[in-house]
Amino acid sequence: KAGVTQTPRYLIKTRGQQVTLSCSPISGHRSVSWYQQTPGQGLQFLFEYFSETQRNKGNFPGRFSGRQFSNSRSEMNVSTLELGDSALYLCASSFTGGGKTEAFFGQGTRLTVV
Amino acid sequence: GQQVMQIPQYQHVQEGEDFTTYCNSSTTLSNIQWYKQRPGGHPVFLIQLVKSGEVKKQKRLTFQFGEAKKNSSLHITATQTTDVGTYFCAGPGGAQKLVFGQGTRLTINP
Repeated sequence: KAGVTQTPRYLIKTRGQQVTLSCSPISGHRSVSWYQQTPGQGLQFLFEYFSETQRNKGNFPGRFSGRQFSNSRSEMNVSTLELGDSALYLCASSFTGGGKTEAFFGQGTRLTVV
Repeated sequence: GQQVMQIPQYQHVQEGEDFTTYCNSSTTLSNIQWYKQRPGGHPVFLIQLVKSGEVKKQKRLTFQFGEAKKNSSLHITATQTTDVGTYFCAGPGGAQKLVFGQGTRLTINP
């Protein structure tokens, strides 16, 4: 079956702009989690969605938001971009979410803010 | 909140040497998972341990879950260049999230 698909793969934005990233989970998975990965901070949890409901949110400012659609596809949005938002954004899908079962990661979106 | 600490942060070995990374949680875990991320790639699930004291093997990789279910280790015997990457442990952080350790980056001198 198809894996987790993230689009776009690469993105360059300027400070102050906003960006929307997309994630299509594995068919049948209702949980989608988002992570920010930077060299110095590892994998930082952003939020997790299950059946269109946000079940948990990490310690990120309100500029970071997300949503999940009825087909389980998820989007995350970052408004008023800052240089420090440059990172690899990974989404992971799983059957149950919450760390109970394995997570399948997409290839990520590498965001560069200039 | 729950923290998952992983050591060492970096490890460089000669090909053929063994490698071990350790993971410690501030709280008891219902399970622990291990992932591998190759350079330029994304994390890929390796294994999940659930039982206290559990030991699982995958070829040259040996995974252990501590008796108290607060620590875990991954040991690679006779490393090969294909083992290069960053190894992460991760555990449920409560309230539906998976908390990752900082990872151990393994580099190998052929």
